[in-house]
Amino acid sequence: RKEVEQDPGPFNVPEGATVAFNCTYSNSASQSFFWYRQDCRKEPKLLMSVYSSGNEDGRFTAQLNRASQYISLLIRDSKLSDSATYLCVANTNAGKSTFGDGTTLTVKP
Amino acid sequence: EPEVTQTPSHQVTQMGQEVILRCVPISNHLYFYWYRQILGQKVEFLVSFYNNEISEKSEIFDDQFSVERPDGSNFTLKIRSTKLEDSAMYFCASRQEPNQPQHFGDGTRLSIL
Repeated sequence: RKEVEQDPGPFNVPEGATVAFNCTYSNSASQSFFWYRQDCRKEPKLLMSVYSSGNEDGRFTAQLNRASQYISLLIRDSKLSDSATYLCVANTNAGKSTFGDGTTLTVKP
Repeated sequence: EPEVTQTPSHQVTQMGQEVILRCVPISNHLYFYWYRQILGQKVEFLVSFYNNEISEKSEIFDDQFSVERPDGSNFTLKIRSTKLEDSAMYFCASRQEPNQPQHFGDGTRLSIL
């Protein structure tokens, strides 16, 4: 079993749609969590951190459920520019980072 | 905003040759990482480095690979005898503390001929 598992995707949605990505982690030592986006042939870029209380940044909402070891990312009113691969990351306090395989989103006009 | 820088942006090397990829992490960061991504595939962890030693490495990081922080600013990845399958994008990343996110450089594309 992978340490961090994501929806395999791909997700193809129309502009304006709401889309949700799920991620589960198996390492109970994981303490901090992040979502990155990666555009084709580019480096991963931090999208947002994920806090236990849930957090929002504009159209993006991230949630964490420690009991279920589950993280989610919700994108509302999706734009063409949201098309990318979204990576879920779990960190331990020892400095280990584990990336999910990523979920590809394509937003179509 | 400070950033991680990598050089060169593209390296073309003959199979069997040694290659060194260079990274300058963000100056107050303490944890350093190398990842690779073969075209069309996922980001794969290679190695993490803290306090001047490797803290973790993956199965990919075999005896052909080594890392070094020679002068307190550069962080290098060396591949001793390159193989065709080493062709990939190599990303360096750094972070200040374990619970902080990593910041990535924009990568070095390594092409082995």
